[in-house]
Amino acid sequence: AQTVTQSQPEMSVQEAETVTLSCTYDTSESNYYLFWYKQPPSRQMILVIRQEAYKQQNATENRFSVNFQKAAKSFSLKISDSQLGDTAMYFCAFMSGETGNQFYFGTGTSLTVIP
Amino acid sequence: DAGITQSPRHKVTETGTPVTLRCHQTENHRYMYWYRQDPGHGLRLIHYSYGVKDTDKGEVSDGYSVSRSKTEDFLLTLESATSSQTSVYFCAIAEGPTYNEQFFGPGTRLTVL
Repeated sequence: AQTVTQSQPEMSVQEAETVTLSCTYDTSESNYYLFWYKQPPSRQMILVIRQEAYKQQNATENRFSVNFQKAAKSFSLKISDSQLGDTAMYFCAFMSGETGNQFYFGTGTSLTVIP
Repeated sequence: DAGITQSPRHKVTETGTPVTLRCHQTENHRYMYWYRQDPGHGLRLIHYSYGVKDTDKGEVSDGYSVSRSKTEDFLLTLESATSSQTSVYFCAIAEGPTYNEQFFGPGTRLTVL
């Protein structure tokens, strides 16, 4: 089975500053997808950003970008110009492109944006 | 929100009683999933379905069964609920050319006393 590790249970950042959330994963596959999901206090899971492993270019979505290091099996999320609405749990997830459509999630990082 | 609803949204039940949670989608998605979310564990896959009457187990399937008799409905059943099954349950669908975009329902909070 694949494993996804988020080693930072909690983080905080000042409003308007930049923060990076870490994620590592373990797989022997070469074709897979990586994701960051956000879960605000409303409990709704929201897809933030997605990266295909075969793409060398790092994905970006407005203030959110990733640093994908395939050899190191690292997939960090950078949030620029942090806003109060970014306060949430953030989950890193992995999906195999070779052995079916199961998703594997990390244990999450609780991010607090401080005014 | 990919047209996903879950019912009930909250339920309190007693140990040993059967419980069924329903996930309903309106957009004809092929893949559907059931997860549970617990503090310190993130989301863990219980069962998933890749078509009507086609289901498979996830990493925490013990004590749970599922059924999918129609494309739009995916049911999760706890045959005899235990306190360890107190959790928040999420349904999800996957879409996209390779089904790699997953979207979630609003969740069901289940408490087993």
